[in-house]
Amino acid sequence: KQEVTQIPAALSVPEGENLVLNCSFTDSAIYNLQWFRQDPGKGLTSLLLIQSSQREQTSGRLNASLDKSSGRSTLYIAASQPGDSATYLCAVVNDYKLSFGAGTTVTVRA
Amino acid sequence: DAGVTQSPTHLIKTRGQQVTLRCSPKSGHDTVSWYQQALGQGPQFIFQYYEEEERQRGNFPDRFSGHQFPNYSSELNVNALLLGDSALYLCASRLGRLAGIETQYFGPGTRLLVL
Repeated sequence: KQEVTQIPAALSVPEGENLVLNCSFTDSAIYNLQWFRQDPGKGLTSLLLIQSSQREQTSGRLNASLDKSSGRSTLYIAASQPGDSATYLCAVVNDYKLSFGAGTTVTVRA
Repeated sequence: DAGVTQSPTHLIKTRGQQVTLRCSPKSGHDTVSWYQQALGQGPQFIFQYYEEEERQRGNFPDRFSGHQFPNYSSELNVNALLLGDSALYLCASRLGRLAGIETQYFGPGTRLLVL
């Protein structure tokens, strides 16, 4: 059974600081890994998708890396802004379903 | 493109009742999955529908059932509601033939409260 862990559970940083969010998973037989953003009480917004054959993916201030052999992914958010405050979830895809971590709740202080 | 839509947005039920939640997938998508997200946790996979058949199921009891219609929309039914069924129910859609390649798109969710 796939287990996904996200550390830390919560993070508070001043505006402008870079964010580093970690995700680990136990079964490396994945199709891809996705990072999502969730605002309080809302649905999920896809941020980045990394195919299992890729090492990293970038979109604007966001960069995600994937090391399948060690079962780890890291999401970097450069120059954080108060609007980046949200919960960030990573999910791995195997057997066509998503297995999620519990998320990292980020607060960016103005 | 309306994206994934879900109804209702909020629902309050009492223990023992039954509930039906609805989902319309993103235009062109033929595969619908349902997830349950308890407060403070990540979403948990309930089941997936493709071509009107349940293709995969997570670790949820038979009280949870679903249906997919010819237009690819889907319903999630929960019978004999328990307090522990209180959660945000999320629907996600994708194009089946791009499984593993393309992201899934999530709806805004239905918040269910069981009293």
